[in-house]
Amino acid sequence: GAVVSQHPSRVICKSGTSVKIECRSLDFQATTMFWYRQFPKQSLMLMATSNEGSKATYEQGVEKDKFLINHASLTLSTLTVTSAHPEDSSFYICSARDPFDRERKTQYFGPGTRLLVL
Amino acid sequence: GENVEQHPSTLSVQEGDSAVIKCTYSDSASNYFPWYKQELGKRPQLIIDIRSNVGEKKDQRIAVTLNKTAKHFSLHITETQPEDSAVYFCAASKDTGGFKTIFGAGTRLFVKA
Repeated sequence: GAVVSQHPSRVICKSGTSVKIECRSLDFQATTMFWYRQFPKQSLMLMATSNEGSKATYEQGVEKDKFLINHASLTLSTLTVTSAHPEDSSFYICSARDPFDRERKTQYFGPGTRLLVL
Repeated sequence: GENVEQHPSTLSVQEGDSAVIKCTYSDSASNYFPWYKQELGKRPQLIIDIRSNVGEKKDQRIAVTLNKTAKHFSLHITETQPEDSAVYFCAASKDTGGFKTIFGAGTRLFVKA
């Protein structure tokens, strides 16, 4: 299947700083990528849909000024958590869908980024 | 909005027994239903999926059924093994609305040896 990478895998930062997380599709071009947040023992909550060359679409309740998304190329989307606070500590996972995989519509997930804000 | 409900939240079975996880979805336009297995601290891995034009699909010990009328779909694992222990998520998506996928709350499966 398709491969999605994510960097960094872990980050610890001080409260008030900003953190950038990268999501890359390695062997296919993704016009759409998705960003999820997962708290311990909970499900994946969709935060936003990242669209190449246009603005991201945010889910209800997700602050777009807090979670900045940039999808500058067909293989890279970035999520920046601005002015991070301890409550932003979570597991952030991106996914991408191969647009040519019309039959299965499968989303391929990155390995996730564990963010800890002190 | 779209919603996927999943039951049970926790399931404990003896090795060799079967496990069944059930989900319901709210959006009748949903037409693709993947199931993911997630081990602790790792990414979700697709284990099986089913499209709306199919009622049942099987892959070795894993099977999925779909009832579009009732908006129910289920995962069946037979002859469970300790390595099946993980969290399982059902999900639903559709062709419109940006192909976004809505996940169920997850089922933590314990297979006792």
